[in-house]
Amino acid sequence: QKEVEQDPGPLSVPEGAIVSLNCTYSNSAFQYFMWYRQYSRKGPELLMYTYSSGNKEDGRFTAQVDKSSKYISLFIRDSQPSDSATYLCAMTSSYNTDKLIFGTGTRLQVFP
Amino acid sequence: GAVVSQHPSWVICKSGTSVKIECRSLDFQATTMFWYRQFPKQSLMLMATSNEGSKATYEQGVEKDKFLINHASLTLSTLTVTSAHPEDSSFYICSARDFQRGDYEQYFGPGTRLTVT
Repeated sequence: QKEVEQDPGPLSVPEGAIVSLNCTYSNSAFQYFMWYRQYSRKGPELLMYTYSSGNKEDGRFTAQVDKSSKYISLFIRDSQPSDSATYLCAMTSSYNTDKLIFGTGTRLQVFP
Repeated sequence: GAVVSQHPSWVICKSGTSVKIECRSLDFQATTMFWYRQFPKQSLMLMATSNEGSKATYEQGVEKDKFLINHASLTLSTLTVTSAHPEDSSFYICSARDFQRGDYEQYFGPGTRLTVT
């Protein structure tokens, strides 16, 4: 079993839709959770960073963490064609914050 | 701020040759840099962590004699793939931590696509 599971998609939605992206994990030592956006042939760009259960909002993006269920989500409101990219979840443990464990990424396509 | 560059962005080399990839932090000092590999439709996998002025720490299963890492300054780390084989073809991405910020965020470079023929 992989430490981090993420549905690879692709996920295709119309412009303006609410998008829900999810990851599950198996290692209870993970304490820090991140969402990255990666455009084709580019490096990942950090979108959200959380370390506690609950919700964190930043503009159109909301990150949600449920440590009891080992489940994290990223919601994108009012999705735009420019949001079309691959979204990667990543997490680290408190005893090794340098080692990011990534999900496989979910490819999102927002069509006009 | 916090820009990381990589050079080259893509490279094709023949089997058995070596290729060097550079990772630079352009506007900050990076005491720690990381090298990842990403195969198509797979996760980024950490290969090694390099600290300026010391030997790199390699992840289990990564051959240190094949993937030579040098972190000679606070703004430059290099990855040399020695005696490359077609199975080394992949997308190599580096990241760096900003020493002065003191947080855990890693800033990623744009990646280098290596094709070994």
